[in-house]
Amino acid sequence: QKEVEQNSGPLSVPEGAIASLNCTYSDRGSQSFFWYRQYSGKSPELIMSIYSNGDKEDGRFTAQLNKASQYVSLLIRDSQPSDSATYLCAAEGAQKLVFGQGTRLTINP
Amino acid sequence: ETGVTQTPRHLVMGMTNKKSLKCEQHLGHNAMYWYKQSAKKPLELMFVYNFKEQTENNSVPSRFSPECPNSSHLFLHLHTLQPEDSALYLCASSQPGLARGEQYFGPGTRLTVT
Repeated sequence: QKEVEQNSGPLSVPEGAIASLNCTYSDRGSQSFFWYRQYSGKSPELIMSIYSNGDKEDGRFTAQLNKASQYVSLLIRDSQPSDSATYLCAAEGAQKLVFGQGTRLTINP
Repeated sequence: ETGVTQTPRHLVMGMTNKKSLKCEQHLGHNAMYWYKQSAKKPLELMFVYNFKEQTENNSVPSRFSPECPNSSHLFLHLHTLQPEDSALYLCASSQPGLARGEQYFGPGTRLTVT
């Protein structure tokens, strides 16, 4: 049973549009959630963290958390070709970080 | 050097060899991690060290042996590996406690076992 689940994609979005990435988690005890971006051939890079229900905005990125539904999402506004990468969702539970398998996002010029 | 560094970046080894991976963090963190990343699989946590003490061993085979001499350095000693151990091995660091999910990754070591 997967603990953090993401659609592996690929997700194709036209440049300038909103990209929506989704993630569900199974551990109700998870309190902290993170989005990492991983470019091809590179290591993961933290882009957003969210700890409470609701929205958190940082520039073009908005993370959304709904603990009742065990659902986390990441919105990328005004998508740019440089946003093309794999996005990893992670949930912290039982004192360790559990990653989903990632969603590959492609922004088409 | 800044951030988290790892050496070597690429490693090819036979199943009977012994080698070590090195990780160094320059961020002043006190928690360090080893992850394995295989194709089409989620990142797998292998080991966690907090203030040089191992606090997590995620059922990793004994052919992988970690060592953490201080909060800035982490090693992964490899011996008698199997071809299925070929993967990208990532080191990460964070502050322990509430910020432990905000991890900074090194560039990784691409390991090929022949």
